[in-house]
Amino acid sequence: KNEVEQSPQNLTAQEGEFITINCSYSVGISALHWLQQHPGGGIVSLFMLSSGKKKHGRLIATINIQEKHSSLHITASHPRDSAVYICAGLNRDDKIIFGKGTRLHILP
Amino acid sequence: KAGVTQTPRYLIKTRGQQVTLSCSPISGHRSVSWYQQTPGQGLQFLFEYFSETQRNKGNFPGRFSGRQFSNSRSEMNVSTLELGDSALYLCASSSSDGAGEKLFFGSGTQLSVL
Repeated sequence: KNEVEQSPQNLTAQEGEFITINCSYSVGISALHWLQQHPGGGIVSLFMLSSGKKKHGRLIATINIQEKHSSLHITASHPRDSAVYICAGLNRDDKIIFGKGTRLHILP
Repeated sequence: KAGVTQTPRYLIKTRGQQVTLSCSPISGHRSVSWYQQTPGQGLQFLFEYFSETQRNKGNFPGRFSGRQFSNSRSEMNVSTLELGDSALYLCASSSSDGAGEKLFFGSGTQLSVL
């Protein structure tokens, strides 16, 4: 079992839908990253959070340290949001542990 | 401000050879970390350097090594290449002198071992 689990693995939705991607972790972490990877490999860091909630444009990330769970939400989804979304936790040894990613496909 | 630059973009090597990959961080960033991405294992942490010192290391064999120079540029070396080393190698930089800061990734080096 991976220490960082994401769900769903794949998600297809219509343009405009509200999207939620979940991340659960079984180890203690001090911070969690949400990353976006487009075809071709480039990775963009969306959020780094250790508590509460952060918002940037149509993206919202939340984390509950006690429940060991984080979510990434996308409001008014658009085809350009199609990408792989990866959560990654920073464990107590300051090593980053990655989830396997959620492949999101937004249909026009 | 220029982003994180990785060279080369693509590399083809044969088993047994060695390879050196380069990463130039964003100006002013002192932390550089390296990652391996494969279809089977996903992203895995290799190591992190800060101010020329290796601050952390993932679970990879000793064939994987790295270093950081005084200008924060970093190199990663893989010796005695194996077929399983074929992967996308990514580096990321951050400004922090502590863990837990936003990472800025390069475009990666796609290594193919034949």
